[in-house]
Order: sequence, then C-alpha cells, then structure tokens
Amino acid sequence: ETGVTQSPTHLIKTRGQQVTLRCSSQSGHNTVSWYQQALGQGPQFIFQYYREEENGRGNFPPRFSGLQFPNYSSELNVNALELDDSALYLCASSLVGLSTTNEKLFFGSGTQLSVL
Amino acid sequence: RKEVEQDPGPFNVPEGATVAFNCTYSNSASQSFFWYRQDCRKEPKLLMSVYSSGNEDGRFTAQLNRASQYISLLIRDSKLSDSATYLCVVNSGNTPLVFGKGTRLSVIA
Repeated sequence: ETGVTQSPTHLIKTRGQQVTLRCSSQSGHNTVSWYQQALGQGPQFIFQYYREEENGRGNFPPRFSGLQFPNYSSELNVNALELDDSALYLCASSLVGLSTTNEKLFFGSGTQLSVL
Repeated sequence: RKEVEQDPGPFNVPEGATVAFNCTYSNSASQSFFWYRQDCRKEPKLLMSVYSSGNEDGRFTAQLNRASQYISLLIRDSKLSDSATYLCVVNSGNTPLVFGKGTRLSVIA
C-alpha cells in the first residue's frame, strides 16, 4: 500500500453540479499531484500542489481548482460538471515538486466519477 | 506528435513467453523515465525506473535509447499475474510526469 488515500471511491453526479474530491498524501510527502484518467487513456496531469501552492497546471479549464492544506492533504474541486468529466481521478504524492528530474509518484486508488 | 506514444495492444502471449514493449517520446530534453503497471480499475504502480545503462529487476529489463528517443520493457518467462496495462512515463525536469496511454498485456494459460 502507498499510504495515499482518496475519498470517495465512487461518485455519481449530474451535469452542472459541483464535486469535491479528497486526498491524504503519504506521510512525509509534501507534494500532491492530481491526474484525470478517462477510459482507455493514460493519466492526464491536472495540477500539482507543493507546500500549499499550485506548482504547475495542465491543460484543464479554470473550473478545475484545488487546495492543499498544512498537513499536505489536498482537494480537487470541479464546478459545472460536464459529461466528459466522467473519469478516474487519481491523486499522487511525492516528496519533491517539479524541480526534480527523478520524481516518483505514489498513487491513491482513485475516485471514479460518473457524470450523468 | 504525442509526447509519449505506446502501442495499445493488446499483446496476448502464452505463459512462459518473452514479450517486449516499446515507447517513444518526443521531447529530447526528457531526463527521467519510468514504467508503471496498472491493473484493471486500479491505480498505477511504479514498476521500475529506466536508466541510461539499462537495468534489470528479476524477469523485467528496461532499456533507454536516447538517440532514437525510445524506451523498452522486456518481460521474460511471463506469468499470468503479469497481465495488466504497462504505462510508459517520461519526466522532462521542470514539467510534470507525462504518461503514455499504456500497452495492455494478457498472459494466457
């Protein structure tokens, strides 16, 4: 087990609703990255938080936002849900931020979001 | 051209076979490389890092060819438990890890 926990494990929402997903990082890790994985695709980078600040963002619209707390846990918020937001949302923790070239990620088991 | 490209498969091989996957990357400034394994409906897990000199971990061997910008993973003596999706992952230093779509492997009894 990686020690990274995510909640909830499954979620069903309807278009236009808002959702908050939560992640607790592995003990000692200060960086949390969020990824979206659609069916049949590889994980796509959403953003990363390092010491409570956004430290890089992928090609996702502003309705995807996040937070990191002093204990390094993190939230992903998605507003105005669309059908295409249906995916597995993965949180990964690591010890360092984007400045390293040897970053290894430890993933939580993910939240499966279905938007109807 | 996609940043990281993999043959999606599926590769269907009998137990005991040797199978190899390749992955190409487009950013010549890429500095670190990994293979992750993902079981159906589960999270990706780090299988191994890929070093310039090549590296081996039991039945698994990873190779990096910087000149041709590709990475390979070789699995010898395939087991049923090796059935999974194998994700090629590339890090270009000041960018986040970039994942390929994955190659699906099914090992058949």
